[in-house]
Amino acid sequence: EDKVVQSPLSLVVHEGDTVTLNCSYEVTNFRSLLWYKQEKKAPTFLFMLTSSGIEKKSGRLSSILDKKELFSILNITATQTGDSAVYLCAVEAPQGGSEKLVFGKGTKLTVNP
Amino acid sequence: GAVVSQHPSRVICKSGTSVKIECRSLDFQATTMFWYRQFPKQSLMLMATSNEGSKATYEQGVEKDKFLINHASLTLSTLTVTSAHPEDSSFYICSGSSGAASYNEQFFGPGTRLTVL
Repeated sequence: EDKVVQSPLSLVVHEGDTVTLNCSYEVTNFRSLLWYKQEKKAPTFLFMLTSSGIEKKSGRLSSILDKKELFSILNITATQTGDSAVYLCAVEAPQGGSEKLVFGKGTKLTVNP
Repeated sequence: GAVVSQHPSRVICKSGTSVKIECRSLDFQATTMFWYRQFPKQSLMLMATSNEGSKATYEQGVEKDKFLINHASLTLSTLTVTSAHPEDSSFYICSGSSGAASYNEQFFGPGTRLTVL
């Protein structure tokens, strides 16, 4: 059974701190790994990673994938209160022609002022 | 990015009634639409995948006779929760994929909060 595990499940930090969120996976057919930010509604896309060792950056957020060890990390530097959200990791694991996304349970990040 | 809308955003209904949720891709043709369910403090769980014009493929444990999915056009899919019960109360999210790129990015709708009394 395909599985995506995120850690920690929750994290509380102060503004300005740097955080690292982890995502490990076990899937039969890996195509890509995606990070999403979910506030009150549907997830918003952050990154898609397909190749090992290539860091993707967007402002204070960055992410990297290790396909050998089957994990990814999402880093957020100089955190702000607006970064408070649930961060979801998902793996695209096509099955039988279906573009299936398998989600982890998410890491709930709380950034206190 | 591509936009997906859902309607209604929130619905409260009595036990035993049926509820229909619409998912529309506004500026692209969604050859594939996905329906997810998210219980409080849980992750998104895929319920079913539907391709336009064909029957939906349901994930294990999801009752296809209870959760009716119709994907009649490239811009509209509907999920009908039949004979809803309180345990069906959840956040339902759809996503659409155009299938146009090698990476079939899924664009998520804003979600529908269903509360069954």
